[in-house]
Amino acid sequence: KAGVTQTPRYLIKTRGQQVTLSCSPISGHRSVSWYQQTPGQGLQFLFEYFSETQRNKGNFPGRFSGRQFSNSRSEMNVSTLELGDSALYLCASSLARDTFRNTQYFGPGTRLTVL
Amino acid sequence: AQTVTQSQPEMSVQEAETVTLSCTYDTSESDYYLFWYKQPPSRQMILVIRQEAYKQQNATENRFSVNFQKAAKSFSLKISDSQLGDAAMYFCAYRTGETSGSRLTFGEGTQLTVNP
Repeated sequence: KAGVTQTPRYLIKTRGQQVTLSCSPISGHRSVSWYQQTPGQGLQFLFEYFSETQRNKGNFPGRFSGRQFSNSRSEMNVSTLELGDSALYLCASSLARDTFRNTQYFGPGTRLTVL
Repeated sequence: AQTVTQSQPEMSVQEAETVTLSCTYDTSESDYYLFWYKQPPSRQMILVIRQEAYKQQNATENRFSVNFQKAAKSFSLKISDSQLGDAAMYFCAYRTGETSGSRLTFGEGTQLTVNP
């Protein structure tokens, strides 16, 4: 079974631009979560989607948004990019939201650099 | 809010030796899960081991085992017979009950070096 895939793997943008990152979960997985990883702040939870609905949201400004499609694929969007948005963005999928006992499996990440 | 603390930013071990990575957490919940993830230079987060809080028995996965002390809120990872491929950043993570969904709270990480 294929793992979690994320596209693109690397991205360079300039301040003020917007960016969209994509995540395809493991087949059959319906929950997708996003995390931001930076050297200064570590790994921080952005949001989680299940059945096209945002279930949980971390403490990030409204410039960060996401959505999930009917096939469980998810996108996250960052508008008006700032230098501090440079980070590794990780996507994780799990089987279902019905129980938190399902393990999350991570994708390889998208490395975003904002110049 | 739940917090996870890894007090060892860096650790090193000789190949074939045993090393223990520490993790403590703070929570008022009674039902939760704890995880150790490994992140090698490729940056791919890989699940190493997980522990259910309601289980008293410590989880083991081949050369990896945990020492779960619920009362002390401690969750350490022991790697036996260390191999060069074990070199990576190790993150301890916590997940609480249904209200938080799949949200993971991570520690700061411990960089493990394995010396040949």
